[in-house]
Amino acid sequence: GAGVSQSPRYKVAKRGQDVALRCDPISGHVSLFWYQQALGQGPEFLTYFQNEAQLDKSGLPSDRFFAERPEGSVSTLKIQRTQQEDSAVYLCASSLERNSPLHFGNGTRLTVT
Amino acid sequence: AQSVTQPDIHITVSEGASLELRCNYSYGATPYLFWYVQSPGQGLQLLLKYFSGDTLVQGIKGFEAEFKRSQSSFNLRKPSVHWSDAAEYFCAANFGNEKLTFGTGTRLTIIP
Repeated sequence: GAGVSQSPRYKVAKRGQDVALRCDPISGHVSLFWYQQALGQGPEFLTYFQNEAQLDKSGLPSDRFFAERPEGSVSTLKIQRTQQEDSAVYLCASSLERNSPLHFGNGTRLTVT
Repeated sequence: AQSVTQPDIHITVSEGASLELRCNYSYGATPYLFWYVQSPGQGLQLLLKYFSGDTLVQGIKGFEAEFKRSQSSFNLRKPSVHWSDAAEYFCAANFGNEKLTFGTGTRLTIIP
């Protein structure tokens, strides 16, 4: 497909487990963003890549959160030692260039039990 | 502080009625402004955007929005809603730092 693809669609983790969430952006899109959307809330910015460079990680809530985009395409958001407050939908978005509209994936719903 | 406010958490309108969803921002200049729609279990779909120029912008699905600098507002409108418009609507702004800042959303319910 031509859209942003995220996997898995759903993830259930026991508290303390590590998880990895994958994002395949639209081919050729330079910018990639991760957002966290808690239930009933708007998306909150986590981090931003331009190609392989992570230019802004100011939204990552703790050092348990880590994101990478080593070849400037696919990105992985990793959460170590998951906590219940990490339960949310994690949205990935990509854009063709700076300040272009974002195209969002359908998200990964993470539930930490 | 830079922020986006959507004052209405939930709005209910009858099918065929007109709709206006409110959005205000706080910023010292004019940001790039966006409206997105999210259906349950889905990602966000862009309805329309405002960068500069004509303050009335047209979007997809029959939506339009008007930018009013004096009111720091970017309200979304539709003349006649359809049952398929039921969803969550998010206003968002780019305050010049690449990332989007979202409002908390307005849930739209359509009654027959």
